[in-house]
Amino acid sequence: GAGVSQSPSNKVTEKGKDVELRCDPISGHTALYWYRQSLGQGLEFLIYFQGNSAPDKSGLPSDRFSAERTGGSVSTLTIQRTQQEDSAVYLCASTPGGGRATDTQYFGPGTRLTVL
Amino acid sequence: TQLLEQSPQFLSIQEGENLTVYCNSSSVFSSLQWYRQEPGEGPVLLVTVVTGGEVKKLKRLTFQFGDARKDSSLHITAAQPGDTGLYLCAGARWGQNFVFGPGTRLSVLP
Repeated sequence: GAGVSQSPSNKVTEKGKDVELRCDPISGHTALYWYRQSLGQGLEFLIYFQGNSAPDKSGLPSDRFSAERTGGSVSTLTIQRTQQEDSAVYLCASTPGGGRATDTQYFGPGTRLTVL
Repeated sequence: TQLLEQSPQFLSIQEGENLTVYCNSSSVFSSLQWYRQEPGEGPVLLVTVVTGGEVKKLKRLTFQFGDARKDSSLHITAAQPGDTGLYLCAGARWGQNFVFGPGTRLSVLP
């Protein structure tokens, strides 16, 4: 079946502009994560959605970052007033259950964001 | 400060050699995962370990979770060019999100 998809695959924007990144998780997966990966670094947790529960936003680096998950499926990560330090690959992952400590995370290919 | 440290940061070896990469922390984890990430792709899960001292084998890859559940190792036997990639470990404490290490970038030369 289809895996996690993300769009766009690449986004180049100017400093100060807003951007929206989209994630389509695997159908039926209840949990969805957003991560940020800077060049040569590991993954930095941003936000976690699980079913109808309030999202865990503890990883969002500033109030310029927000995310929504509509209908328990598609998610959009929005970055307002982008800064050069926002340049990174943004990865989305979905899991079939809510058991954070043991579930397999299925990752999308990521969106590479470049802020000029 | 990284919650999870990985070493070495970079490793370049010849095809057929053996190697071990390490994932270390001062924290205790309820589970630990290893992922491999290739350029332009998202990470792909290799294994999950949950019991201290646990050893899991996946073909030429052997994973070990430390007795105290603070560290892990990944050993590859007879490395092949297809093993090239970024190896990430991720640890979770119960009910909390996974924390990823910075990764070991492996290059296996033919």
